[in-house]
Amino acid sequence: DTGVSQNPRHKITKRGQNVTFRCDPISEHNRLYWYRQTLGQGPEFLTYFQNEAQLEKSRLLSDRFSAERPKGSFSTLEIQRTEQGDSAMYLCASSRDRGQRGYNEQFFGPGTRLTVL
Amino acid sequence: AQTVTQSQPEMSVQEAETVTLSCTYDTSESDYYLFWYKQPPSRQMILVIRQEAYKQQNATENRFSVNFQKAAKSFSLKISDSQLGDAAMYFCAYRSTNAGKSTFGDGTTLTVKP
Repeated sequence: DTGVSQNPRHKITKRGQNVTFRCDPISEHNRLYWYRQTLGQGPEFLTYFQNEAQLEKSRLLSDRFSAERPKGSFSTLEIQRTEQGDSAMYLCASSRDRGQRGYNEQFFGPGTRLTVL
Repeated sequence: AQTVTQSQPEMSVQEAETVTLSCTYDTSESDYYLFWYKQPPSRQMILVIRQEAYKQQNATENRFSVNFQKAAKSFSLKISDSQLGDAAMYFCAYRSTNAGKSTFGDGTTLTVKP
């Protein structure tokens, strides 16, 4: 399967703990996106990378959140000092930007469901 | 900032019938993309159909078609000959042509009755 993969699929943690999620994009996709989806709502944009550069961050991404894409391949999203309000599905998506105006489809991964107790 | 509104939290349709899901959006831009995504229970989101704002012709993909009204900022999805496998959450989304992120509505849960 060459789709977007995310690990772990489920994570249960206690309030105050740190968690890290990993996303592996589709091979050769230079753009990678993180979204957060809470129950009953649509995905909300968190941040995205083009290669290893983080091009945009949402105001939703507080100081406790950090994302990296060190070699322009996989990405990690870390949440420090988790709070119950962080409980959500964290979605990753990737696309291939051809460097010119044009459509590039975002392919989504299965998500990581975080539960903070 | 762009916003996307889906006013129907839930919809149901009889198998083989037609259903229309509504979406409105707000933007000051003239060039953008609109999408409908399907998210089955516990499965990943997949693209159903997309529309480019500069194209007047409504997009069609097999049983799925859209009614794009640019002036009214309306973008509805019509599913014809509904099948049990169409049951899912459907999200309407907006993306600027020069931006990476997409803005999503809160979704419509579609139930298909046999």
